[in-house]
Amino acid sequence: DQQVKQNSPSLSVQEGRISILNCDYTNSMFDYFLWYKKYPAEGPTFLISISSIKDKNEDGRFTVFLNKSAKHLSLHIVPSQPGDSAVYFCAASVRSGGSNYKLTFGKGTLLTVNP
Amino acid sequence: EPEVTQTPSHQVTQMGQEVILRCVPISNHLYFYWYRQILGQKVEFLVSFYNNEISEKSEIFDDQFSVERPDGSNFTLKIRSTKLEDSAMYFCASRLIAGGLRKGTDTQYFGPGTRLTVL
Repeated sequence: DQQVKQNSPSLSVQEGRISILNCDYTNSMFDYFLWYKKYPAEGPTFLISISSIKDKNEDGRFTVFLNKSAKHLSLHIVPSQPGDSAVYFCAASVRSGGSNYKLTFGKGTLLTVNP
Repeated sequence: EPEVTQTPSHQVTQMGQEVILRCVPISNHLYFYWYRQILGQKVEFLVSFYNNEISEKSEIFDDQFSVERPDGSNFTLKIRSTKLEDSAMYFCASRLIAGGLRKGTDTQYFGPGTRLTVL
């Protein structure tokens, strides 16, 4: 049951360039989306989120874009830094109707930023 | 910055034994969660807990699993009789309030995880 899909298991970019990580979802009830970063032997660290009422949210070098009609979101990292190398998880939840906000995760994309 | 903590970082147990995984959520948070990640697979939701009761659980969370908030700070996950397939990273998460539009209230913050190995 792949309600959240990250079709690229890995991505490699040069330092200073843009990293674009993609995520697709199938459940139209999802109305809140998050990106987490995870280093080995650590828990997921929250990066940025977006509500379905928006199509863009920006925080420093990180921008998330949401295309509801395509059920697609992307995370842009500009400029990419070697310290950004990690696994990036897309997650989605349902906020409306008294939901418990449980997160449904994608499989993750391993980003490697080369110096 | 406040953070979620988990103990132990690694637990090795024999099949059929009981294990208790411990979490200390962020102090003013009210919603608590357990997730797990089997090696090579997705992070999966197990259970959510609010107001001293389970608010939602997944199919994975069967009768062998239980959660408890025994005091004002700890949140535990118990597996009564572990199976080989319970081997995974178990993550605890907490969230500030049950809904609302204030910034940060919708975000779950995760602990570093406990690696459970069942032999």
